[in-house]
Amino acid sequence: DAKTTQPNSMESNEEEPVHLPCNHSTISGTDYIHWYRQLPSQGPEYVIHGLTSNVNNRMASLAIAEDRKSSTLILHRATLRDAAVYYCILTNNAGNMLTFGGGTRLMVKP
Amino acid sequence: KAGVTQTPRYLIKTRGQQVTLSCSPISGHRSVSWYQQTPGQGLQFLFEYFSETQRNKGNFPGRFSGRQFSNSRSEMNVSTLELGDSALYLCASSLARLAGNEQFFGPGTRLTVL
Repeated sequence: DAKTTQPNSMESNEEEPVHLPCNHSTISGTDYIHWYRQLPSQGPEYVIHGLTSNVNNRMASLAIAEDRKSSTLILHRATLRDAAVYYCILTNNAGNMLTFGGGTRLMVKP
Repeated sequence: KAGVTQTPRYLIKTRGQQVTLSCSPISGHRSVSWYQQTPGQGLQFLFEYFSETQRNKGNFPGRFSGRQFSNSRSEMNVSTLELGDSALYLCASSLARLAGNEQFFGPGTRLTVL
């Protein structure tokens, strides 16, 4: 079965870039890479997703390794509101989230 | 547009009882997925419903079941509750069954089994 591995926690200073890594060495060819984040007492919130190419949206960028065995979520300027647990998730082609990482708790210092 | 709503938000049950949780998706969303979140196992996929049919199921025992109604609202049921079923149960909806579709999560139902 596919697995994703993430660091338990990371720390960043406010307004600095943050790179959150995820290892998914057993990813299959049709799996999509999704990132969600979860604030305390809330359900997860979509951040970004990709298949093979790097992706950008208003929230973040996703850099996907050429062999797709790892990816990095990039927050260009961390704010205090970005403090959350970030999950790297693999989905099948129907959008089912089948493989979750343990999540990285991002702490942002003012 | 109203978000995904889940009821009840908190529930306390005892071992052996059964429980039913409810999820109302965002209007127009036809896919509803359920997830279990625990400190030990993290997030795990339970099942997905689309057009009143279960389309995919995670690795959970048959005590966990669900259904979806014609208005896309969904319920999940856990029978013969065990202590290990204590968890946050999250529901998420999306427009369609596509890999790139964003899922919108509700706030969850926190179930405590005593």
